[in-house]
Amino acid sequence: QQQVKQSPQSLIVQKGGIPIINCAYENTAFDYFPWYQQFPGKGPALLIAIRPDVSEKKEGRFTISFNKSAKQFSLHIMDSQPGDSATYFCAASKLTGSARQLTFGSGTQLTVLP
Amino acid sequence: NAGVTQTPKFRVLKTGQSMTLLCAQDMNHEYMYWYRQDPGMGLRLIHYSVGEGTTAKGEVPDGYNVSRLKKQNFLLGLESAAPSQTSVYFCASSYSRLAGSEQYFGPGTRLTVT
Repeated sequence: QQQVKQSPQSLIVQKGGIPIINCAYENTAFDYFPWYQQFPGKGPALLIAIRPDVSEKKEGRFTISFNKSAKQFSLHIMDSQPGDSATYFCAASKLTGSARQLTFGSGTQLTVLP
Repeated sequence: NAGVTQTPKFRVLKTGQSMTLLCAQDMNHEYMYWYRQDPGMGLRLIHYSVGEGTTAKGEVPDGYNVSRLKKQNFLLGLESAAPSQTSVYFCASSYSRLAGSEQYFGPGTRLTVT
């Protein structure tokens, strides 16, 4: 049972376009929602994150929109560039026992065409 | 600082063979994690550690064992490898269990079991 559902699986946009990646969760115990960016052959790296008491967070060209009542959140990439081509993972975090555990979505492979 | 390093980068095993993956971090982090990444499934937590000498099971622990004898190292062992363990394995570390404490990932180990 996938606790964090991510869509679409893949996405192709032209340079300057605004790709949007959507995620949904069920467990209300999640209290922190990071997005990770992964380039081929590399490990994931934190891109941006949001807490559930905030509806929107912007960092540069990246924006997270969060809808707590719908248990959904999304990543928007403004003015996308070919260098943004990567796999993006949403995640949800909660305390489990003595540690904080991340539950990842299935990933979205983004291609930005020049 | 090297951050999180993993050895080896690639490995091919035959069914039934054993091996150990090594993760090392130089950030003095208390928390360390092992994930596996499979196509279309995101990253799933195998085991984690909240400090030297401690380990705990994650979402998919069966077939794996771990040890954390030194704070900077976290070892993942496969006692009898199976084809279902073909995957890319990532190690991560974090400073604390607070919501904003980022998990830093290593570059990964690609394991093939034939």
